[in-house]
Amino acid sequence: DAKTTQPTSMDCAEGRAANLPCNHSTISGNEYVYWYRQIHSQGPQYIIHGLKNNETNEMASLIITEDRKSSTLILPHATLRDTAVYYCIVRVVGGTYKYIFGTGTRLKVLA
Amino acid sequence: EAEVAQSPRYKITEKSQAVAFWCDPISGHATLYWYRQILGQGPELLVQFQDESVVDDSQLPKDRFSAERLKGVDSTLKIQPAELGDSAMYLCASSTGQGSAKNIQYFGAGTRLSVL
Repeated sequence: DAKTTQPTSMDCAEGRAANLPCNHSTISGNEYVYWYRQIHSQGPQYIIHGLKNNETNEMASLIITEDRKSSTLILPHATLRDTAVYYCIVRVVGGTYKYIFGTGTRLKVLA
Repeated sequence: EAEVAQSPRYKITEKSQAVAFWCDPISGHATLYWYRQILGQGPELLVQFQDESVVDDSQLPKDRFSAERLKGVDSTLKIQPAELGDSAMYLCASSTGQGSAKNIQYFGAGTRLSVL
């Protein structure tokens, strides 16, 4: 499975957009990008996923570059409750559907 | 909203003792996963079930860890004997197992294990 690279930590002011980048330069054509977040002492929570088109749901937007080698998760109006570790995962659709987590980005939303 | 249930939430044990964790997946989910998460790291897959069958246990330390899902519904992960290095969060996840990108894994709240 493709590996992902994310910044270790980021800060964002409350009410502003939080843009979390992820590099997945070795991604294959059938590999999807998934984003999860983990609030302290809880299990990871699914946010969004995509293949090559930009995606948006009630939680966030996912922007995937045309060459698919990187993506950005956007939280449009960050709140204090968005403080968490955000994981970008690339997973092959098929086989055992295995996720391989990295160390993620620790986002701190500041009041 | 349906959730993955795990118990206990916290477990303290002494090294060399046996410990067990239980997971009840979302109803109808055929695939069940056990992960271990060491503090400061991302979760690492230990074992994956499709119904009652193990499909991936390549990272499971089989000399001390065992997992079962006898009726293809709930599952138990056991450690015997526990070692200090087993202190971690143990997470269970489930998914429909269907062959599509919407095969999203949903996680439980986890069991925090401390081995003294």
